[in-house]
Amino acid sequence: ILNVEQSPQSLHVQEGDSTNFTCSFPSSNFYALHWYRWETAKSPEALFVMTLNGDEKKKGRISATLNTKEGYSYLYIKGSQPEDSATYLCTLYNFNKFYFGSGTKLNVKP
Amino acid sequence: NAGVMQNPRHLVRRRGQEARLRCSPMKGHSHVYWYRQLPEEGLKFMVYLQKENIIDESGMPKERFSAEFPKEGPSILRIQQVVRGDSAAYFCASSLPTGAYTDTQYFGPGTRLTVL
Repeated sequence: ILNVEQSPQSLHVQEGDSTNFTCSFPSSNFYALHWYRWETAKSPEALFVMTLNGDEKKKGRISATLNTKEGYSYLYIKGSQPEDSATYLCTLYNFNKFYFGSGTKLNVKP
Repeated sequence: NAGVMQNPRHLVRRRGQEARLRCSPMKGHSHVYWYRQLPEEGLKFMVYLQKENIIDESGMPKERFSAEFPKEGPSILRIQQVVRGDSAAYFCASSLPTGAYTDTQYFGPGTRLTVL
């Protein structure tokens, strides 16, 4: 069992603030890391898949970086909006299985 | 193209009964994953299936739980003789037939099982 940790567990920011959170994982035998966004009462939706050390991905105001040597990925949200409120999940692929972190729950106040 | 469908959305069972959870993957997807989310916890891998094959069931309890993905029809997660500790949300996700670890998983809305 691989331990994927996300921090912080929850985050409250004001509209317009930029924020970031962390996904930590074992650095050995790395294959791929996925980020998902999970809004309340909906299903998780894919944001990014990252495979190479130094990868940087961007989708609108959301971006992510990957460091496989030290075992972490950062997710950044620039100028948070209330519609960004969701739980952000990272998941590590390893030998047919996906190991999910517990998520960072983001609440953006208008 | 309809998304991943799960039914029922809510299921109530008494201790000792059987629970059958169904997952219809997206059209063209032949890989299915089942996850369990216990209250206040994250998603935990249970089983990975391709059509007519179980690829990895290492996350599934060895007793009372079984899963299948027949050639025709939905994937079924079956829990026999349910106990209160089985109360959870069960999510399935499907992906393309490539089976690559970069493939995006598309999640269903989940089935919330309550055991009385």
